[in-house]
Amino acid sequence: AQSVTQLGSHVSVSEGALVLLRCNYSSSVPPYLFWYVQYPNQGLQLLLKYTTGATLVKGINGFEAEFKKSETSFHLTKPSAHMSDAAEYFCAVRGPAFGNKLVFGAGTILRVKS
Amino acid sequence: KAGVTQTPRYLIKTRGQQVTLSCSPISGHRSVSWYQQTPGQGLQFLFEYFSETQRNKGNFPGRFSGRQFSNSRSEMNVSTLELGDSALYLCASSGTGTISDTQYFGPGTRLTVL
Repeated sequence: AQSVTQLGSHVSVSEGALVLLRCNYSSSVPPYLFWYVQYPNQGLQLLLKYTTGATLVKGINGFEAEFKKSETSFHLTKPSAHMSDAAEYFCAVRGPAFGNKLVFGAGTILRVKS
Repeated sequence: KAGVTQTPRYLIKTRGQQVTLSCSPISGHRSVSWYQQTPGQGLQFLFEYFSETQRNKGNFPGRFSGRQFSNSRSEMNVSTLELGDSALYLCASSGTGTISDTQYFGPGTRLTVL
């Protein structure tokens, strides 16, 4: 079955350190790819998305992600973590292989230590 | 532009009752999708409406239903509530409803079933 996997339900980094959140999808045809962030008691906010074109996508708040077709990955990075980045992050995919529905990964909770 | 609004924000019901949740999309958006978020199952797609027609549906029992009005506002209904229906219900809207289009999420309605 087609799926989207986020490696690591919890990630902890120090303030100022690199943030790397992993996302892999399983489908023979690359879907559209999205990263969302959710703060406590709030809805989801789009960080960035990949549809076509340049494989390195820049988003809001200094985040970026690179689509690697050969690795079926779309990992999210930020060079320097800030305390305000503490939240839950969701990778999502959408495409014919996924029934054209927006399918979410299980989420990764990012903790930023001072 | 005002964002996606959902009412009510919090709701407490008892088993066997029914509930109706409301979603007002961003002005001009024609597509509305609904999602259920629980700690155990994560974010799951319920259904999508576009121009008053259900365009896609997730794997939920028939107790879950929805509709969209001519002004694009949407409601979802859950009948014969079960304890397992306790969740955060998120609504999202997009302009054209194409699968590459960004979905903008509301803050959600937190439903507790006792």
